[in-house]
Amino acid sequence: DIQMTQSPSTLSASVGDRVTITCRASQSVNNWLAWYQHKPGKAPKLLIHKAFSLESGVPSRFSGSGSGTEFTLTISSLQPDDFATYYCQQYNTYSATFGQGTKLEIK
Amino acid sequence: EVQLVESGGGLVQPGGSLRLSCAASGFTFSNYWMSWVRQAPGKGLEWVATIRNDGSENFYVDSLKGRFTISRDNAKNSLSLQLTRLRAEDTALYYCARAGDYRSGYSTYFDYWGQGSLVTVSS
Repeated sequence: DIQMTQSPSTLSASVGDRVTITCRASQSVNNWLAWYQHKPGKAPKLLIHKAFSLESGVPSRFSGSGSGTEFTLTISSLQPDDFATYYCQQYNTYSATFGQGTKLEIK
Repeated sequence: EVQLVESGGGLVQPGGSLRLSCAASGFTFSNYWMSWVRQAPGKGLEWVATIRNDGSENFYVDSLKGRFTISRDNAKNSLSLQLTRLRAEDTALYYCARAGDYRSGYSTYFDYWGQGSLVTVSS
């Protein structure tokens, strides 16, 4: 299986900050990479698929980039609603795998 | 509005069985591949299984093959997951999720999720 490693595991930031979360794959996943936002007690929400395709209705402050083995999720100006856990997921193989998550906390 | 509502979770003893269901609405269920994803307490997300839109093919994470069975009833807009020979490490919140795309031989991303059904395996 392809291993997905996110960094950092926890990120403390303030409203208005620009933040970047990194996701590295143990082997190339081409652009078959998705990002999700997950809040406690709620359904995970798809933000981005195919590395940089923003889902309809997702604010434009979210963006994705990268290819191959290294990807980033950037939030250009943090809003109060953005504090959550973020996961990357590869789907370039038969078996989808997720990163361990990055918890974005209020500083 | 797409809605996925899971049910059927609960407390079960090791070695026991349980059947989870997912009621889908707000989209043409028979057009979409569907999946189950789970999250153990304090852990990350783990893909469990996917079923083709017509039910003709199923895909499972290797570690669970033979114990879990995914199925669907397109007439009832319903997805199921039969869990057997349960172990403590199967304790998790089980999410029903809609597949975002379909590429033969590959997995998918998940564009809509339910809120999950909790399975606890304990004596």
